[in-house]
Amino acid sequence: DGGITQSPKYLFRKEGQNVTLSCEQNLNHDAMYWYRQDPGQGLRLIYYSQIVNDFQKGDIAEGYSVSREKKESFPLTVTSAQKNPTAFYLCASSQGVGQPQHFGDGTRLSIL
Amino acid sequence: GNSVTQMEGPVTLSEEAFLTINCTYTATGYPSLFWYVQYPGEGLQLLLKATKADDKGSNKGFEATYRKETTSFHLEKGSVQVSDSAVYFCALSPKEAGTALIFGKGTTLSVSS
Repeated sequence: DGGITQSPKYLFRKEGQNVTLSCEQNLNHDAMYWYRQDPGQGLRLIYYSQIVNDFQKGDIAEGYSVSREKKESFPLTVTSAQKNPTAFYLCASSQGVGQPQHFGDGTRLSIL
Repeated sequence: GNSVTQMEGPVTLSEEAFLTINCTYTATGYPSLFWYVQYPGEGLQLLLKATKADDKGSNKGFEATYRKETTSFHLEKGSVQVSDSAVYFCALSPKEAGTALIFGKGTTLSVSS
């Protein structure tokens, strides 16, 4: 079955640590996205990538970094510069930017 | 700029009641419009879509009609079930090339038996 796999489902970070969230898709989609979801705030776009080796900042990119070395993979690193990282993180992909997006099941990040 | 406004929730209904969740948008030109649904602890799933004015998207008993006159895309269902309890997001795809989808803040629906 084609889809998007996010791992891990739950992740805990100590203060001052960087952590990396994994996102893999086998839909052969060109575009991939990372969103942050906080209660009552809907989805906020962190980064997105239209093609391999290219990505753009979204609305809340500060404290995050991404890479897109392979079409299938779009990992997100939450750096120690992100002062309030506790949230639900969603990865998505689409044929192209602006097309309907397919979502993974998310990673819930908490601070120890 | 482009934006999506949804009615604030939570919306609380009894089983078999009629559902309407309002969504209005601001955009340049005629964007494509979507409704997504998110069940607890999961990601979002595409529920339905419409790509041009007067199109009606439908799926699983839900419907929404693209109204350019009122810049609206309200979600409706004639008879809700407990299993419809979820968060519903309205979204638009701007016509500007290379722009990601823009989502509303979501509306929580709770259906009781």
